[in-house]
Amino acid sequence: KQEVTQIPAALSVPEGENLVLNCSFTDSAIYNLQWFRQDPGKGLTSLLLIQSSQREQTSGRLNASLDKSSGRSTLYIAASQPGDSATYLCAVSGYSTLTFGKGTMLLVSP
Amino acid sequence: EAEVAQSPRYKITEKSQAVAFWCDPISGHATLYWYRQILGQGPELLVQFQDESVVDDSQLPKDRFSAERLKGVDSTLKIQPAELGDSAMYLCASLGLGAHEQYFGPGTRLTVT
Repeated sequence: KQEVTQIPAALSVPEGENLVLNCSFTDSAIYNLQWFRQDPGKGLTSLLLIQSSQREQTSGRLNASLDKSSGRSTLYIAASQPGDSATYLCAVSGYSTLTFGKGTMLLVSP
Repeated sequence: EAEVAQSPRYKITEKSQAVAFWCDPISGHATLYWYRQILGQGPELLVQFQDESVVDDSQLPKDRFSAERLKGVDSTLKIQPAELGDSAMYLCASLGLGAHEQYFGPGTRLTVT
């Protein structure tokens, strides 16, 4: 059974810092990996999707990498802003199902 | 931009009552998912539909939960009777044919008192 672990569980940084969120998974036979953002009490917003054949994806200040063989992914956020405060969830895909980690709660203080 | 719709957004119900949630996926998306997210946890799959057929309901507590997608379009998730432990966010997602990215709705926040 696929298991997804996210470290750290919570992170507090001052505005402007670059930061890295980590995700690891136990079964490397994945189709893709997605990073989501979730604001308190809200649904999920997809940030980046990395296909299993890809190494990284970039969107604005976000960069996600994937090392499928080692079962690891990182989400890099450059020049963090208070508006980045949210929970970030990593999810890996089997054929058509997603397995999620518990998320990293990020707080960026002004 | 097409979105997954869910209603209601919030629901408060008493223990032992029945409750139902509705989801309308993005038009043309054949695959529909219901997830449950307990506070502080990641979403967990409850049921997956391909058109009107259930593909995976192995994690659905079938003694009290039921789900249907009668015409292969919108879907309803029902809980009867609700228990205190059912308090959670219920998320619906859809996936287009041959696509890789699931699109999520805004969720229904259920509180059972």
